[in-house]
Amino acid sequence: NAGVTQTPKFRVLKTGQSMTLLCAQDMNHEYMYWYRQDPGMGLRLIHYSVGEGTTAKGEVPDGYNVSRLKKQNFLLGLESAAPSQTSVYFCASSSPGPWNTEAFFGQGTRLTVV
Amino acid sequence: AQSVAQPEDQVNVAEGNPLTVKCTYSVSGNPYLFWYVQYPNRGLQFLLKYITGDNLVKGSYGFEAEFNKSQTSFHLKKPSALVSDSALYFCALYGNNRLAFGKGNQVVVIP
Repeated sequence: NAGVTQTPKFRVLKTGQSMTLLCAQDMNHEYMYWYRQDPGMGLRLIHYSVGEGTTAKGEVPDGYNVSRLKKQNFLLGLESAAPSQTSVYFCASSSPGPWNTEAFFGQGTRLTVV
Repeated sequence: AQSVAQPEDQVNVAEGNPLTVKCTYSVSGNPYLFWYVQYPNRGLQFLLKYITGDNLVKGSYGFEAEFNKSQTSFHLKKPSALVSDSALYFCALYGNNRLAFGKGNQVVVIP
């Protein structure tokens, strides 16, 4: 009964380093999303995917890349981390909406870039 | 462009009193509206949604929301707040294959 699992849960990066955040879902959902949460800003959509092999830009895509090679996984990459990317990152998945769009969220990844 | 607005940063309410968290929306077509709750150090959890039908929607944990088309609002309500309701509440609007969230409202229920 895992739902949406994010790896890792915490990470500290130095400016310029790269990393990949992994999101895995076991609900056979078509749609997957990456959001970042910052104080007073709510959740902002970085990238999303409406199916295996597809990706699309959200509100704040700059500095991030994504891949959806398998339906159950959605990877978020930071090629050259910057302090402005310090945030809490959430992955979510859902069926195609709006009727079935109850999105399920992971527990979050707290990323600090120093 | 579609968007939601949550005009208050924080809502303070005494335990046992009614709780209201406000949300207004802007969309060109039919609104598909959602409420989520986030407890500390956790992901968001679905509370309820309005797609069509009755303007009063009932959801989890005793919460309900009232859809008002003329006022473009979708306020979250609970008749009697509990201390355990203290959390961050997000309104969201679905469109173009994605959910757009408001900035969130911190709810503090005072014992």
